[in-house]
Amino acid sequence: AQKVTQAQTEISVVEKEDVTLDCVYETRDTTYYLFWYKQPPSGELVFLIRRNSFDEQNEISGRYSWNFQKSTSSFNFTITASQVVDSAVYFCALRANAGKSTFGDGTTLTVKP
Amino acid sequence: NAGVTQTPKFRILKIGQSMTLQCTQDMNHNYMYWYRQDPGMGLKLIYYSVGAGITDKGEVPNGYNVSRSTTEDFPLRLELAAPSQTSVYFCASSLPTSAVPHEQYFGPGTRLTVT
Repeated sequence: AQKVTQAQTEISVVEKEDVTLDCVYETRDTTYYLFWYKQPPSGELVFLIRRNSFDEQNEISGRYSWNFQKSTSSFNFTITASQVVDSAVYFCALRANAGKSTFGDGTTLTVKP
Repeated sequence: NAGVTQTPKFRILKIGQSMTLQCTQDMNHNYMYWYRQDPGMGLKLIYYSVGAGITDKGEVPNGYNVSRSTTEDFPLRLELAAPSQTSVYFCASSLPTSAVPHEQYFGPGTRLTVT
C-alpha cells in the first residue's frame, strides 16, 4: 500500500514570507515518482514538479524549490518570497511504477497582502 | 490539442438515478484515471486504466464502474446514485512511467450533486 501525508492542513503567511509545505510518503516500491500539484481557487489542477526515486537532487525553479530526502521519505516544497497569487491548495502525490497514484489531502496556503 | 475534456461540467442527480461521466483525451496517453474530490479534501482514486481493455480499482471504487474500449475514452458510470457520491470528479491521463514526461494531465472536473 502507498500513502501520502501532508500534515499541514492550512498555512497562512504574509506576502514576502517564505513558506515550506511538508510531504511525507510511504511505499514498498523501490521505483516510484513524486509530484506536486497546485489547485488555485478556480479549481483546476496544475502540475508543478516531478521527481523519481533515483534522483535526490534538489530543484529550484524561480521562487519554488523542492527538497527530496529519501532517508526520511519526504518531498518538501518551499515558496520563497510568497505572493498573493500563490494562494491555493497544494497537493503532493506518489505514483508507483505500475501506474497507481495516491494524493495527499492537500495543504491550503493563504498568502495575505 | 484539447488535452483532457470532461462532460458534463455540472449535474444534479436524484437519489437512485444513474449517469455516465465522459472523459476524452487526445494526447495518445496510455494511462487514464478517475478521481473524486470531496469538499476540502484531497483526490481519491476511483479507477484507473493502463491501456485499452485494462482497468483496475483504486481506493474508492464502490458504486462506480468504468470501461476502456479505446485509448481516448474512459467513461465513469454511476449506478444508483447516493448523496455520498456528491463530489467533484476529475479525469486525468498520462504517459507510462517509463516515458518522460509522465505527469498527469487533468480535465476541468465535473461537479456532481446527488439529492
